[in-house]
Amino acid sequence: DVKVTQSSRYLVKRTGEKVFLECVQDMDHENMFWYRQDPGLGLRLIYFSYDVKMKEKGDIPEGYSVSREKKERFSLILESASTNQTSMYLCASVGPGSYEQYFGPGTRLTVT
Amino acid sequence: GNSVTQMEGPVTLSEEAFLTINCTYTATGYPSLFWYVQYPGEGLQLLLKATKADDKGSNKGFEATYRKETTSFHLEKGSVQVSDSAVYFCALSPPTRANNDMRFGAGTRLTVKP
Repeated sequence: DVKVTQSSRYLVKRTGEKVFLECVQDMDHENMFWYRQDPGLGLRLIYFSYDVKMKEKGDIPEGYSVSREKKERFSLILESASTNQTSMYLCASVGPGSYEQYFGPGTRLTVT
Repeated sequence: GNSVTQMEGPVTLSEEAFLTINCTYTATGYPSLFWYVQYPGEGLQLLLKATKADDKGSNKGFEATYRKETTSFHLEKGSVQVSDSAVYFCALSPPTRANNDMRFGAGTRLTVKP
């Protein structure tokens, strides 16, 4: 079974802090994604990566950056956390030629 | 652009009741359509999919039929169980199969009471 893990289930940070969210997948998938999930808005794509060191902006990249130094790991970085970044963050991966995105359990981030 | 609209929740049903969660979409061409489920404390997992018009996706007693004429992909289950309590997301992938353009609905929370 594909496994996507995220470094933290719950995280509380202060405004202005730098925040790192880590995601690791064990199926050698090329494509990885970061979404945020907010009530009434569903999932919105922040960034995705289709290969090591390759990244593209999604629908809401402002305030975020990403890093993909190894194929299995995709990190989301909040350079200076703000309260409007309080949300559930979901990582996903998908294999070549497949539709199915495999999701991690999510990180619920609270910025105070 | 591509988008998905699904019925707002929350939906509360008694065990063994019939479930329908409506989903309609807007897309150019023939997208692939999906239902994902998110159980409490977990990430999303694929429940079922349909890749062309008139296809019926089914899994765990859930069904959805890809209706091109009504641009719909409604989720149904004949008899829900308490264990079906979760948030359900309708989603589409464009005809180009660009994974980066997957569109999700807002989600519908289902609670099933014994």
